Amino acid sequence: QQQVKQSPQSLIVQKGGISIINCAYENTAFDYFPWYQQFPGKGPALLIAIRPDVSEKKEGRFTISFNKSAKQFSLHIMDSQPGDSATYFCAADTGGFKTIFGAGTRLFVKA
Amino acid sequence: DTGVSQDPRHKITKRGQNVTFRCDPISEHNRLYWYRQTLGQGPEFLTYFQNEAQLEKSRLLSDRFSAERPKGSFSTLEIQRTEQGDSAMYLCASSPQGAGELFFGEGSRLTVL
Repeated sequence: QQQVKQSPQSLIVQKGGISIINCAYENTAFDYFPWYQQFPGKGPALLIAIRPDVSEKKEGRFTISFNKSAKQFSLHIMDSQPGDSATYFCAADTGGFKTIFGAGTRLFVKA
Repeated sequence: DTGVSQDPRHKITKRGQNVTFRCDPISEHNRLYWYRQTLGQGPEFLTYFQNEAQLEKSRLLSDRFSAERPKGSFSTLEIQRTEQGDSAMYLCASSPQGAGELFFGEGSRLTVL
């Protein structure tokens, strides 16, 4: 049962451009929305996360925008760099008991 | 390094054999999770421990799968009578009580021939 839908599946962006990945969720009980970054051969690592009481969170070049009424959230990567090339997963959980992941977006940043 | 460690990193086995994976979480974390990841997909939740208690188990976890966390420290995931459909990356993660962030290991890749 997929409770977090992520798009696009893959994304190619020019160096310096903006990468945008979108996610939608169904369960209104979710109260924590993290984004994970995964490089080949590695486990996912937390990139940035947001709780539903705020509409935006920014950390360096990474920003999460959150729309509670639409049950959607997105990751924006500003000034994308080749080193950002990785797979990105949005996720959601309730109270840290079970995190549900989206299917992932493979990002390639062209130099 | 005090991150989450998993062993073995790679396992190739024949259909019908049993396999066991081990996970050593970050020492002060009392929550431990097992996820399965197949190519091109996000991690799928399998099971979750708080200390030594297994609090939730996914419907994905058939009777052939069993996980333990004796004494609330390391954990093992055993798959009995492996099938080709079990081929995947098995990820372990840990977290401290009350935190949302999961700290993942590098995974154990299983190939069933």
